[in-house]
Formats: sequence, C-alpha cells, structure tokens
Amino acid sequence: QQQVKQSPQSLIVQKGGIPIINCAYENTAFDYFPWYQQFPGKGPALLIAIRPDVSEKKEGRFTISFNKSAKQFSLHIMDSQPGDSATYFCAASIVNSGYSTLTFGKGTMLLVSP
Amino acid sequence: DVKVTQSSRYLVKRTGEKVFLECVQDMDHENMFWYRQDPGLGLRLIYFSYDVKMKEKGDIPEGYSVSREKKERFSLILESTSTNQTSMYLCASSTPDRGPIWDLGETQYFGPGTRLLVL
Repeated sequence: QQQVKQSPQSLIVQKGGIPIINCAYENTAFDYFPWYQQFPGKGPALLIAIRPDVSEKKEGRFTISFNKSAKQFSLHIMDSQPGDSATYFCAASIVNSGYSTLTFGKGTMLLVSP
Repeated sequence: DVKVTQSSRYLVKRTGEKVFLECVQDMDHENMFWYRQDPGLGLRLIYFSYDVKMKEKGDIPEGYSVSREKKERFSLILESTSTNQTSMYLCASSTPDRGPIWDLGETQYFGPGTRLLVL
C-alpha cells in the first residue's frame, strides 16, 4: 500500500517557469510533510517542510501548499532555474517524542531547460 | 555541518557474496536509517535504529540485516547477495531533539550513497 503518492514522475519546464509537484497521502495521523531535493551523485537533502496547521509555507522561491481536507500537498518552484534540476521527493511522518520514520513518495525528476 | 559518510561509493559483487555497507555520522544522532533507492520506486526503508544495539525493520527488510554497536556507526549486511539487490543504498541519521523553531520535525541527513551492482 503506497501511503504517499507523488506526481508527475518527471517534469520539464523552461527557465522562469513554475513547476508544480503534487503529493497525496492516506494516513490522517501524518503531521509533518517535508520535501527533499536530490542532485545527481548526492544524497537527498531537506528543502522545505510544513505542519498541517498552516496552508502555505514559503522559503525563497520554494512554496508548499497544503490542503488538509483533501489530504494533498504540493511544491511550487517560482522563477525556476537550471540549477533547480534535480529529483524531488515528498514525504510524510508522524512526529513523536522518540523517533519517527519518513514515508517517501516515488520522486519527481525535474529538468529546467535554459 | 552534519556529515554522514558511507564506506564505499561503488561496489561490484558476485551473486552469493557477503557485503558490508558501513555508515558513520558525526553529529551524535540517536537515529540511523538504511534505504534503498531504485528508479521509479523512490526511497524504501530497509532498517532503522533508534539507539545502540537497537534495530527495527522497515518496509523491505528481507535479505538484509543490520548492526549498531556504536552510536555513530550503522552497518547494513547483505549475507548472500542476489541480483535483485542491485541498487543505490542510502544511509541517513537524525535526532528527535528540536532545534530552531523552524525545525518542524525530525530532519534526516543523508550520506552520498553506495551504488551496488550484483552480477
């Protein structure tokens, strides 16, 4: 059972465009939703994250939109640049006082053409 | 800066060989994780550990085992490799301690990965 569904699998946009990557989750107990960015030859790194008590979060050119009732969240990249070309993973977890594990989406390969 | 290192970047093994993949983190993190990454399948959790000598199965533990004898070190063991274990293996670490207020949850810090080819 895939608990976090991510789409599209790949995406090509021109420089300056606004790529949007969507994720949907099933487990209503999830309360932490991070996005990770992975460049070729590197491990993933945290890009931005949101908790379900807010509907939007911005960090620079990256924005998460969160719809709790629809159990969906998305990543928008404003004014995309060729350096944003990477694989993006959404994830979800349940925050607790001990440890928490991340459930990842399958990833989206983004190519921003010059 | 958090640093997670993995013992090898590339490995080529023959079917049936035993493989040790080692991961070391330098941030005194309590939690460590092993994932495999395959095209179209994303990151799948194999095993994780929340303390020395403690281990928990992830989503795909079959064919793997782990060892955590020291806090900074987490090893993934493939007792008898098979071709379907050809993959990218990623190690990560995290701590449940909350940092700055923007740290909303438990950030996982990943190593660069080990690409394993089993022939």
